[in-house]
Amino acid sequence: NAGVTQTPKFRVLKTGQSMTLLCAQDMNHEYMYWYRQDPGMGLRLIHYSVGEGTTAKGEVPDGYNVSRLKKQNFLLGLESAAPSQTSVYFCASSYGTGQTLNTEAFFGQGTRLTVV
Amino acid sequence: AQSVTQLDSQVPVFEEAPVELRCNYSSSVSVYLFWYVQYPNQGLQLLLKYLSGSTLVKGINGFEAEFNKSQTSFHLRKPSVHISDTAEYFCAVSVGLQGAQKLVFGQGTRLTINP
Repeated sequence: NAGVTQTPKFRVLKTGQSMTLLCAQDMNHEYMYWYRQDPGMGLRLIHYSVGEGTTAKGEVPDGYNVSRLKKQNFLLGLESAAPSQTSVYFCASSYGTGQTLNTEAFFGQGTRLTVV
Repeated sequence: AQSVTQLDSQVPVFEEAPVELRCNYSSSVSVYLFWYVQYPNQGLQLLLKYLSGSTLVKGINGFEAEFNKSQTSFHLRKPSVHISDTAEYFCAVSVGLQGAQKLVFGQGTRLTINP
């Protein structure tokens, strides 16, 4: 039972390079999220999805794009990486239909990204 | 907008001592509150959650939290900590976001257990 799996776990990019982070969940969850974690700032929502084929912006979406072509996958893209995007990225998923606020979110192990 | 404040960024305690990690949230009509734990180099996992009912919530690994509506607090406690409790702890509040749930996190509290 894998839960939420993120790849890669570590990556170093040069400024201006692009990359895609992959998140896969096997719990048949409708909702998926991308957060970034920075020291002293907790986790901040980048983008989220309420179902296959839908995506929406969170609090800090600039410089990122996402896609959810399949229900189980949620991709986060950086088109032109900047040092300010150095962070730990977490994917999460949760069960829910409609406005369900009381469900647990399940997190992946994180991707540590360094942009030099 | 909903917000969460964790009052201590770091809490050092000795093994077998009690601990309290403090969390305050901004007021709202309906509040769903969570505590997550992050062990070194791992993702977050749920410790406990408050949805409704009893204000004292028990979670995994001997942790509990008390919801206090008048003080808008949700402090996490454990009567006797172990070295394995060394981790970062996040308080979070759930808010609605265009049909989905969004977790708003506090800044985190790093709990260090000394032998």
